[in-house]
Amino acid sequence: EDQVTQSPEALRLQEGESSSLNCSYTVSGLRGLFWYRQDPGKGPEFLFTLYSAGEEKEKERLKATLTKKESFLHITAPKPEDSATYLCAVGGGSYIPTFGRGTSLIVHP
Amino acid sequence: KAGVTQTPRYLIKTRGQQVTLSCSPISGHRSVSWYQQTPGQGLQFLFEYFSETQRNKGNFPGRFSGRQFSNSRSEMNVSTLELGDSALYLCASRDPTENEQFFGPGTRLTVL
Repeated sequence: EDQVTQSPEALRLQEGESSSLNCSYTVSGLRGLFWYRQDPGKGPEFLFTLYSAGEEKEKERLKATLTKKESFLHITAPKPEDSATYLCAVGGGSYIPTFGRGTSLIVHP
Repeated sequence: KAGVTQTPRYLIKTRGQQVTLSCSPISGHRSVSWYQQTPGQGLQFLFEYFSETQRNKGNFPGRFSGRQFSNSRSEMNVSTLELGDSALYLCASRDPTENEQFFGPGTRLTVL
């Protein structure tokens, strides 16, 4: 059974204080590791897909990296508008993605 | 391209009633999945439809059902509503040749 564990559950940062979110996973036959951002009361917004260990992708202040057991979402010099819940999911052989519980990020001005 | 749309955005029902939610996928996406999201359980997979056929099903009771039409639009139905069915119901569409899913804004269902 595919499993995804995200840590920390919640993270408070000061504006400009860089940090990383962790996503540990077990999956049989990784078809992709996905990162989403979700604002309260809205649907998840797709951010990145990573397919193989060593792969990195960037978008504005976000950079996602992947190893064989975990993925990191690095947030550089965050701004208050980066406050959201960040969800990680893995797609395995069943094509049904398994989601983690998310990390709730609050960036204080 | 227009994104995934869901209607209605908000619903209030009472126990025992039934409800139908609608989802229109991104143009060209033939795969539609439904998820239930609650604070306690997170995002849980309900079912996936592709070309009008249910391809995968999550671990939910038979009160939860769905269907997909020839234009790829999908509906899900929940019968005999229970208080615990209160949740954000999310629809996601996917191009079958890709792995990424794109979510709609969700329908917030409140069961009183």
